[in-house]
Amino acid sequence: DTAVSQTPKYLVTQMGNDKSIKCEQNLGHDTMYWYKQDSKKFLKIMFSYNNKELIINETVPNRFSPKSPDKAHLNLHINSLELGDSAVYFCASSQVRQGDGYTFGSGTRLTVV
Amino acid sequence: KNQVEQSPQSLIILEGKNCTLQCNYTVSPFSNLRWYKQDTGRGPVSLTIMTFSENTKSNGRYTATLDADTKQSSLHITASQLSDSASYICVVSGRGSYIPTFGRGTSLIVHP
Repeated sequence: DTAVSQTPKYLVTQMGNDKSIKCEQNLGHDTMYWYKQDSKKFLKIMFSYNNKELIINETVPNRFSPKSPDKAHLNLHINSLELGDSAVYFCASSQVRQGDGYTFGSGTRLTVV
Repeated sequence: KNQVEQSPQSLIILEGKNCTLQCNYTVSPFSNLRWYKQDTGRGPVSLTIMTFSENTKSNGRYTATLDADTKQSSLHITASQLSDSASYICVVSGRGSYIPTFGRGTSLIVHP
């Protein structure tokens, strides 16, 4: 299946831990993104990579570090997790030059306790 | 500042009824506008895309309109079904910008 797949779907962890979320797309898109969706369902951009190069880095705490080993993968590592990090994180991809919309993954629900 | 405002914030209708969701934007210069549907526990999925020259586009029971002069769009859902219960998000892209502007969504609940 052509898709954006992210793992894990659910992540429950204690404050202070370090965790990673993985994302892979097999659509051949050149740009990948991480979005955070808060409890009010608002989607906010965190990072964007175009052909493995970081192009967007919004005001996100430096505890969050994205890594793109190749243009099909974009992982998100979070250090020293805090309660406020609890949210749903969505990975997405697009082919920017074609003006295509996003294809989103199904989300990772992170709960910090 | 680029903004996308959606109304209403939430809407409850009976199965079979029609409804219209609104989107106003200030994104400039304008490139395109998309409506996404987000089911509970899933990622958003694109329903329609409209460019400057298009003022109506349909996708099954979903019809989107665009008035680029007033910077308004609407999404009309005909003969609603229970499966239409979801959040509908308006997303506007500016010309030359990598990152579109998201609205906060309208939460639609369809009751039997």
